[in-house]
Amino acid sequence: AQTVTQSQPEMSVQEAETVTLSCTYDTSENNYYLFWYKQPPSRQMILVIRQEAYKQQNATENRFSVNFQKAAKSFSLKISDSQLGDTAMYFCAFYNFNKFYFGSGTKLNVKP
Amino acid sequence: GAVVSQHPSWVICKSGTSVKIECRSLDFQATTMFWYRQFPKQSLMLMATSNEGSKATYEQGVEKDKFLINHASLTLSTLTVTSAHPEDSSFYICSTPGYTDTQYFGPGTRLTVL
Repeated sequence: AQTVTQSQPEMSVQEAETVTLSCTYDTSENNYYLFWYKQPPSRQMILVIRQEAYKQQNATENRFSVNFQKAAKSFSLKISDSQLGDTAMYFCAFYNFNKFYFGSGTKLNVKP
Repeated sequence: GAVVSQHPSWVICKSGTSVKIECRSLDFQATTMFWYRQFPKQSLMLMATSNEGSKATYEQGVEKDKFLINHASLTLSTLTVTSAHPEDSSFYICSTPGYTDTQYFGPGTRLTVL
């Protein structure tokens, strides 16, 4: 079975600074997808970024980028120029064979 | 991306009653819908996978007679919590996979059983 681990239950960052959220996963599969989702207080799940395991290039979406280390099974999210609106729960997710596996989440607080 | 709606957004019911939650794919034909529940400050736990026109597949530990799932059309899946009890109080979320395997989530339904 696939497992996803987020070892940082809560993190804080000052507005405009950079923060990195960690995620590791365990799988014996070679082809899969990895995601970061954001869940603000409204609790709507919002896609932040997506990575395909067969692509070596790290995905980027504006201020959000990932450091994907396939051999180490690591998938961290870097948020640059943090904004107050980035305050939310962040979930790392593994997807394979039509199933999603979520990490326990990291609560990010962006301070003014 | 796909737009997914859920109704109701919140519901309060008495213990022993049944509650139906609807999940609609508004601009996408959803052959598959996933149902999750999320307790406060916890992650999403997959309850079941529903496929249009066939029986749902339930995760281990989820009572299929208690959580009835129907996926009668490509745009609608329903979750009925039968004989609800206070321990069923939770946040229920549906999602559907889009073209690139990205999951598109509904806004969720908060169920409170008194």
